[in-house]
Amino acid sequence: TQLLEQSPQFLSIQEGENLTVYCNSSSVFSSLQWYRQEPGEGPVLLVTVVTGGEVKKLKRLTFQFGDARKDSSLHITAAQPGDTGLYLCAGESQNRDDKIIFGKGTRLHILP
Amino acid sequence: DAMVIQNPRYQVTQFGKPVTLSCSQTLNHNVMYWYQQKSSQAPKLLFHYYDKDFNNEADTPDNFQSRRPNTSFCFLDIRSPGLGDAAMYLCATSRNSGTAYEQYFGPGTRLTVT
Repeated sequence: TQLLEQSPQFLSIQEGENLTVYCNSSSVFSSLQWYRQEPGEGPVLLVTVVTGGEVKKLKRLTFQFGDARKDSSLHITAAQPGDTGLYLCAGESQNRDDKIIFGKGTRLHILP
Repeated sequence: DAMVIQNPRYQVTQFGKPVTLSCSQTLNHNVMYWYQQKSSQAPKLLFHYYDKDFNNEADTPDNFQSRRPNTSFCFLDIRSPGLGDAAMYLCATSRNSGTAYEQYFGPGTRLTVT
């Protein structure tokens, strides 16, 4: 069974600080996605990483896919209150059955 | 802009009274999904359509049904809602490109059961 473990589960930091959240598995994933979900809204796709070791940047957000394609990290530089939300990582199912496996998410709160 | 639309955004129903949630998309994606999400949890897949082919998750209660009359629309029917069915229901779409299954979510419908 493919599982994605996200850590930390909760994170509350001051505006301007840097942070990293993690998404780990013992399984290899063909691709991993990161989503951000704000309260009362659906998840919004931030990025997809496909190649082992790949690094993608989205303004102050840096996403990295592990060399072995089993893990990923999201680093936020100079966090802002607008970064507050639930960050979900999701990986493509090995069964190639059109499904993705979600982690349980990291709930991030940036204090002004 | 191409998007996934869910109606209504908020739905209140009575215990046992059938309710239908709707989803439409302008992305022309061939795969559509319904998820249930409870507070502070990850979305849980209920079922999905690959074109007209329906795929039910093994642990989805029989109380939940779905219809996809055409590419653009998909419906979630809850035949006899219980208090435990109160949740956010998310519709998502994906274009099966054979490489990465990126999913695009609607804003969700929050269902309250009284």
